Amino acid sequence: SQQGEEDPQALSIQEGENATMNCSYKTSINNLQWYRQNSGRGLVHLILIRSNEREKHSGRLRVTLDTSKKSSSLLITASRAADTASYFCATEYAGGTSYGKLTFGQGTILTVHP
Amino acid sequence: EAGVTQSPTHLIKTRGQQATLRCSPISGHTSVYWYQQALGLGLQFLLWYDEGEERNRGNFPPRFSGRQFPNYSSELNVNALELEDSALYLCASSLGTSLAKNIQYFGAGTRLSVL
Repeated sequence: SQQGEEDPQALSIQEGENATMNCSYKTSINNLQWYRQNSGRGLVHLILIRSNEREKHSGRLRVTLDTSKKSSSLLITASRAADTASYFCATEYAGGTSYGKLTFGQGTILTVHP
Repeated sequence: EAGVTQSPTHLIKTRGQQATLRCSPISGHTSVYWYQQALGLGLQFLLWYDEGEERNRGNFPPRFSGRQFPNYSSELNVNALELEDSALYLCASSLGTSLAKNIQYFGAGTRLSVL
């Protein structure tokens, strides 16, 4: 079963606008990762943030992590039509039977209109 | 450098048959992971292999099995196919399992259709 919740489920914006997606999870994590998927194909890794980090940047991407609220957000600035895709957060939970596996949220479908 | 490669791209089977899906990890990666992405169920963890051993398994029946070969490539076998096994099967690889090496890189997937 999915452990993460993402919102919104769908987001439609104009090129040049910023897009913010949120992810919540349930138990302690080692790290949280964001992935992009284009049209039901393979996932592309975007960024990883560890449980002891609060914010991370990569190009137009900014990820925040609040472990007290068990939530993360992905901000894409100055969006482009090519950013149109599904975005997933994935958590690696700490310890036990969760070792090594990623638990994915349901994803946010982002549509950027030119 | 080649990414994770999966074959075949598409696979059509009938109920009750067996399916074999293949995955070649990125060169130097020792861990291989399998995920199922079915409509309405999202991405579900299936199996993890590292150094030839099964390290973890998701909540799937025993008819889902696999193995990892000495060259770190992997096979996923699904026996006694059921209609609900229709999904995109994604393989991923990583350098290892320490916190510094556990970014998983995904292949393009094999779309399995069970008729």
